[in-house]
Amino acid sequence: GQQLNQSPQSMFIQEGEDVSMNCTSSSIFNTWLWYKQDPGEGPVLLIALYKAGELTSNGRLTAQFGITRKDSFLNISASIPSDVGIYFCAGQKGSRTYKYIFGTGTRLKVLA
Amino acid sequence: GAVVSQHPSWVICKSGTSVKIECRSLDFQATTMFWYRQFPKQSLMLMATSNEGSKATYEQGVEKDKFLINHASLTLSTLTVTSAHPEDSSFYICSASWGAGRTDTQYFGPGTRLTVL
Repeated sequence: GQQLNQSPQSMFIQEGEDVSMNCTSSSIFNTWLWYKQDPGEGPVLLIALYKAGELTSNGRLTAQFGITRKDSFLNISASIPSDVGIYFCAGQKGSRTYKYIFGTGTRLKVLA
Repeated sequence: GAVVSQHPSWVICKSGTSVKIECRSLDFQATTMFWYRQFPKQSLMLMATSNEGSKATYEQGVEKDKFLINHASLTLSTLTVTSAHPEDSSFYICSASWGAGRTDTQYFGPGTRLTVL
């Protein structure tokens, strides 16, 4: 099935550093979402974005809905060890379909 | 709010047997439930979408006779893996959403790990 491209695929960072990751698509989406998945668990919603250009924060996390509607970005400031996990973006085209297209994931590892 | 549970959290079965996985929305009524499959170190792949009281819509390449989905109520959907084989071993995750808007957010269950021997 179709997947969105996420970059980077994985990253090691030092505790306290800021993290940036992005998600790109060749087609337009009306909603972008960011989820975090811990090992052996289901994804947990972090941020949902509904409008092109929208910038939304959730604590140390900030996400943006790209102007072209073909991409989205997630930033984590001052990373801590519990930020470890896999971050997935998901795009939703709206209209009569509620289906998500998931990204390939960014695996984050934080070094204390 | 928006809690989704799955049962069982893990199951081991012999090849050829059938396994049923339940997905429940605990504090909301889910008009739509989704079933995903995830292989190790890979993303989630949508298997099917189900609406309460109607037949599930399966994604291309997913065998509907192999993966039976029943969405009997607004809080319960079940996935039955029939005649399971080792290649069906995977992490199965459900999600649920409510409302009628086109921007319905999906809330995910904790997943069920199926191992077929």
